[in-house]
Amino acid sequence: SQKIEQNSEALNIQEGKTATLTCNYTNYSPAYLQWYRQDPGRGPVFLLLIRENEKEKRKERLKVTFDTTLKQSLFHITASQPADSATYLCAYLTGNQFYFGTGTSLTVIP
Amino acid sequence: DAGVIQSPRHEVTEMGQEVTLRCKPISGHNSLFWYRQTMMRGLELLIYFNNNVPIDDSGMPEDRFSAKMPNASFSTLKIQPSEPRDSAVYFCASSFGTSGQETQYFGPGTRLLVL
Repeated sequence: SQKIEQNSEALNIQEGKTATLTCNYTNYSPAYLQWYRQDPGRGPVFLLLIRENEKEKRKERLKVTFDTTLKQSLFHITASQPADSATYLCAYLTGNQFYFGTGTSLTVIP
Repeated sequence: DAGVIQSPRHEVTEMGQEVTLRCKPISGHNSLFWYRQTMMRGLELLIYFNNNVPIDDSGMPEDRFSAKMPNASFSTLKIQPSEPRDSAVYFCASSFGTSGQETQYFGPGTRLLVL
């Protein structure tokens, strides 16, 4: 069965540092991955999409990499801010099914 | 645009009762998704519609769950009879397109508690 995993433990970092979140997938090679942000009590909000032929994608302070050999995507937030504190989800589509990871909770400490 | 609208925002019911969750997608979007989120299993796709037609309902846990989309601006997810294990947050999302790469816009969710 398809599987997508994210670091289950919460990540705490100091303001200004770079946060790195990991998404690993098995049993399938998706053509692309999406990253979402979810705040408590709210639905996920789309952040970035990266395709398999793109090694890296950037949007402002966000950077996503996609390593199809390692079956892994890394999500980086540079110069992190307390406002970046949230849960971050990765997801991919295979066939007619979207698979989401369980998310990684990030806390940026002032 | 108001975004995806879901109602109710919170629902508390007793085991065995029927529960109906409602969703209004973003105007112009042609794909609609129902998800369930729990701490243990994360976000799971239950069913999705394209142009009001159910495309894949393989995520629907069992026959107690049913979903309809009678028109482009409204969808329901019904649980009958409800059970305590159905307690979760149910999200509706919509998007425009059919490739699967489109951004999904999520509603605020319905927090369901079945006692």
